[in-house]
Amino acid sequence: AQKVTQAQTEISVVEKEDVTLDCVYETRDTTYYLFWYKQPPSGELVFLIRRNSFDEQNEISGRYSWNFQKSTSSFNFTITASQVVDSAVYFCALSEAGYGGSQGNLIFGKGTKLSVKP
Amino acid sequence: KAGVTQTPRYLIKTRGQQVTLSCSPISGHRSVSWYQQTPGQGLQFLFEYFSETQRNKGNFPGRFSGRQFSNSRSEMNVSTLELGDSALYLCASSIIAGGSGNEQFFGPGTRLTVL
Repeated sequence: AQKVTQAQTEISVVEKEDVTLDCVYETRDTTYYLFWYKQPPSGELVFLIRRNSFDEQNEISGRYSWNFQKSTSSFNFTITASQVVDSAVYFCALSEAGYGGSQGNLIFGKGTKLSVKP
Repeated sequence: KAGVTQTPRYLIKTRGQQVTLSCSPISGHRSVSWYQQTPGQGLQFLFEYFSETQRNKGNFPGRFSGRQFSNSRSEMNVSTLELGDSALYLCASSIIAGGSGNEQFFGPGTRLTVL
């Protein structure tokens, strides 16, 4: 069965600290996609990154970086030198290609609430 | 390019009533998906519409229904509202149907409160 687990419910850090948000997924499909979304207090989900199952290269975008490891079924997200504006709920999500019966909808983890204090 | 818009943003209804929520996708996007977000269950997939056809459906009762129009705009309807239907309903649009890994862009949501 498909599943996404974000074990950290809440994390609180002080500005300028680095923080890593964990994501572990389960799927039987060999082709799948992983996403991270940010949900600020306004409620709208903001797309951050997408990764397909064949691309294990780490990605860096400014202060954000992602580590995808198929061997441990993990897709972790690190924010370097955190800022107050990073405070939000972050969701990891899985979408299967559909060969296993799924039709490709997003399966979300429960989210990690990040609070960055000044 | 305008983003995904959802109307209304806030809604208060009483048990037993029905409600219709609207979603306008990004121009050129043909797929619209709906998600329900509650504190207890998190984000759960309701259904996806593509080219006016329901392509995929989540595990929700038949009281939840939807449709998509020829201009890709979508509506979802909840009949016989229950207290547990109180949630943030999010709509997401994408260029093509799910399963291809394409990004889904979300609207601001409709906050439904059932009293």
